[in-house]
Amino acid sequence: DAKTTQPTSMDCAEGRAANLPCNHSTISGNEYVYWYRQIHSQGPQYIIHGLKNNETNEMASLIITEDRKSSTLILPHATLRDTAVYYCIVRARFNDYKLSFGAGTTVTVRA
Amino acid sequence: DTEVTQTPKHLVMGMTNKKSLKCEQHMGHRAMYWYKQKAKKPPELMFVYSYEKLSINESVPSRFSPECPNSSLLNLHLHALQPEDSALYLCASSQDRTSGGSYNEQFFGPGTRLTVL
Repeated sequence: DAKTTQPTSMDCAEGRAANLPCNHSTISGNEYVYWYRQIHSQGPQYIIHGLKNNETNEMASLIITEDRKSSTLILPHATLRDTAVYYCIVRARFNDYKLSFGAGTTVTVRA
Repeated sequence: DTEVTQTPKHLVMGMTNKKSLKCEQHMGHRAMYWYKQKAKKPPELMFVYSYEKLSINESVPSRFSPECPNSSLLNLHLHALQPEDSALYLCASSQDRTSGGSYNEQFFGPGTRLTVL
């Protein structure tokens, strides 16, 4: 799996968009970008994934640069309930079972 | 039903006790996982079952014994644990490749908070 780099922490104001960056400069052509989050004392929650096109679902948007070396997860209107650790993971879609979580970004949404 | 349930939510046990953690899903997923998460650390994979067969054991000590009695249930039997085994134990499930799904979109339960005294 390609290595990812995320900021350790970031703050966001409630109601504003939260933009979470992830660098994955060694990503290969068959690897997808996955995002999970983990709210305190809960299990991780799958958010979204993408290959090269921008993706949007009810939770978030994922913007992947044209060279695919970095991506941004966007929470369009952050709420206090979005306070969590966000994990960016790069993996081939149909591969083995081992999903490895890095340190992630601790996002704190402030009122 | 897109939920993974885990019981109990909290468990306190002595080092000589035997206890079991239980996980259940009814999404038809054929891959099920146990993860361990220490405080302020990311989850770490322990075991993977695929079609009720143990597929991966990440060199987990034998005091942890997994069991998958059927496609919906996953157990983790605990015996003679050490205080350093205190952690949040997470269960997850996912589709299998044969069904056209990916292992990467995993559904996690809320976890069992284990304290070993």
